[in-house]
Amino acid sequence: DTGVSQNPRHKITKRGQNVTFRCDPISEHNRLYWYRQTLGQGPEFLTYFQNEAQLEKSRLLSDRFSAERPKGSFSTLEIQRTEQGDSAMYLCASRLLQGRNTIYFGEGSWLTVV
Amino acid sequence: DQQVKQNSPSLSVQEGRISILNCDYTNSMFDYFLWYKKYPAEGPTFLISISSIKDKNEDGRFTVFLNKSAKHLSLHIVPSQPGDSAVYFCAAFKGGNQFYFGTGTSLTVIP
Repeated sequence: DTGVSQNPRHKITKRGQNVTFRCDPISEHNRLYWYRQTLGQGPEFLTYFQNEAQLEKSRLLSDRFSAERPKGSFSTLEIQRTEQGDSAMYLCASRLLQGRNTIYFGEGSWLTVV
Repeated sequence: DQQVKQNSPSLSVQEGRISILNCDYTNSMFDYFLWYKKYPAEGPTFLISISSIKDKNEDGRFTVFLNKSAKHLSLHIVPSQPGDSAVYFCAAFKGGNQFYFGTGTSLTVIP
């Protein structure tokens, strides 16, 4: 299976701790997106990369959040000093820039901050 | 500012009947539309899409209709099956970067 892979799938952390999520996109997909989804809402855009360059960040992405894609392949999303409001599913998606206008999601990483 | 809206949070349909899920958008610059299906605790799965140069796209039991003048699209599933029970999100794209998603419609297909 060469779909988008995310880990960990579930993370429970205490308020104030740091967490990091990893995303491995579909091979050769040069665009990578991070979205957040809470109950009853659709996916909300956080940030996206083209290769290793982070091209846009949502205002939802506070300074406690940082995302990287150092070699243009996998990406990490780190949340520092977690708050209960950070509890959500964090979704990674990827697409081929020259291909169809379609993004393909991973299975998501559930974060629960207690 | 919600640019893509799904005003029906839920829909129940009998097995074998047609399911119609609706989506409205506000930005006339959107030129590509998609539907995703999501099961609990999983990521959204791409279902079907349509370009703004078309008004209909069909793939098996799934058909998406686009009415640009009304800024409205719909997803028809016929015949509906119990395995279709999931949350359906519509999404819109206008080139560049973001895909904008609606809040989803939870479809329940009753056997």
